[in-house]
Amino acid sequence: DVFLTQSPLSLSVTLGQPASISCRSSQRLVHTDGNTYLSWFLQRPGQSPRRLIYRVSRRDSGVSDRISGSGSDTDFTLHISRVEAEDVGVYYCLQATEWYSFGQGTKLEIK
Amino acid sequence: QVQLVQSGAETKKPGASVKVSCKTSGYTFADYGFIWVRQAPGQGLEWLGWISAKNDYTKYADDVQGRLLMTTDKVTITAYLELRSLRSDDTAVYYCAAGVGANIESWGQGTLVTVSS
Repeated sequence: DVFLTQSPLSLSVTLGQPASISCRSSQRLVHTDGNTYLSWFLQRPGQSPRRLIYRVSRRDSGVSDRISGSGSDTDFTLHISRVEAEDVGVYYCLQATEWYSFGQGTKLEIK
Repeated sequence: QVQLVQSGAETKKPGASVKVSCKTSGYTFADYGFIWVRQAPGQGLEWLGWISAKNDYTKYADDVQGRLLMTTDKVTITAYLELRSLRSDDTAVYYCAAGVGANIESWGQGTLVTVSS
């Protein structure tokens, strides 16, 4: 089984300041097809999760360019360059290289 | 992008079964795979299993293996989750999500399943 560990588990950020969330995997996430299936989702209060980033760094349509993903092998990071009110919620990483598993989630709030 | 619409909330007694549906639209059904995920109150996301809409191949998470059945209906382009021998700790919001290959992209709105005597 692949285990994902997110840190921090909660984040309080001033509007306009940057934020980053780490996701570390217990195994390398490079698939046999050469792709790395690590995605990031945001779940706003009372809503379903929404995908922001897929395959480590590819931004979904309609996602702000303030949001980006980076990393490789076992270490991945979600970056928010300037936090806005709409970024509040819980962020999850998901690996789909070896079946599926989620990180524990990171709650972002505005300070 | 694929749209997923799930069935409504359910309340069941311990030991009973529940079946949740996930109706799709907007794409070629057989191209997609579905995962089912649940979220207990105040908790994170837990992956339950995956089913291929092309050939109905399934993979279940160890925690629910033996109690969970995932199926698809290619006529109504709907995916189903059935969970048997319900316990109180099965109380959660159940989500379906879909994508091509390993790229899960779209989510249903969630179905609250409450298990209570």
